[in-house]
Amino acid sequence: DADVTQTPRNRITKTGKRIMLECSQTKGHDRMYWYRQDPGLGLRLIYYSFDVKDINKGEISDGYSVSRQAQAKFSLSLESAIPNQTALYFCATSDPGTGKVADTQYFGPGTRLTVL
Amino acid sequence: AQKVTQAQTEISVVEKEDVTLDCVYETRDTTYYLFWYKQPPSGELVFLIRRNSFDEQNEISGRYSWNFQKSTSSFNFTITASQVVDSAVYFCALSEEFSGGGADGLTFGKGTHLIIQP
Repeated sequence: DADVTQTPRNRITKTGKRIMLECSQTKGHDRMYWYRQDPGLGLRLIYYSFDVKDINKGEISDGYSVSRQAQAKFSLSLESAIPNQTALYFCATSDPGTGKVADTQYFGPGTRLTVL
Repeated sequence: AQKVTQAQTEISVVEKEDVTLDCVYETRDTTYYLFWYKQPPSGELVFLIRRNSFDEQNEISGRYSWNFQKSTSSFNFTITASQVVDSAVYFCALSEEFSGGGADGLTFGKGTHLIIQP
């Protein structure tokens, strides 16, 4: 089974609808992140959480909210979806730990969201 | 604020050629982390390498090698004897140190689309 899972994998919705994207991980990592990818723009950080009680805004948090329900679950919500939120959304996790790959972010498979 | 520039939007080479993907970064921090990720046509992001700012050793992993030079703020990636399976979008990314310890969120370059022709 994958270490980082995202549901749904694809979603088409209409302008104004509330949408929740979910991320679960079995890696035991404390840190979780949400990014969006737009063609030609790379990935941009939306929100991140270093533990259940710690939520931080990223570069492009406007129009989004998050919930860290447990160490393993981090959800991203679009309260009122708009067409320019059409993108590929990635969840990632990391472990500050020590060692050669400490703080390395491991990504889920992505959710393709289309807002009509 | 940090910034990552991948000036090459797309590179196309014939199989077995060597190819270098450029990455230039900007940061005011003395402690930071650099990464390369691969995004094949299937869309997932695959971690390739992590480097911290204190480790300027170059690294080789099979056909892949990375050249980190703080003097020019560059972290370039070379594929030797390229193969069709190397075709993908490659992202360079930077993370600064979080005040509570460890790396912060990633700042990505816009990616280089590498096409390996048979």
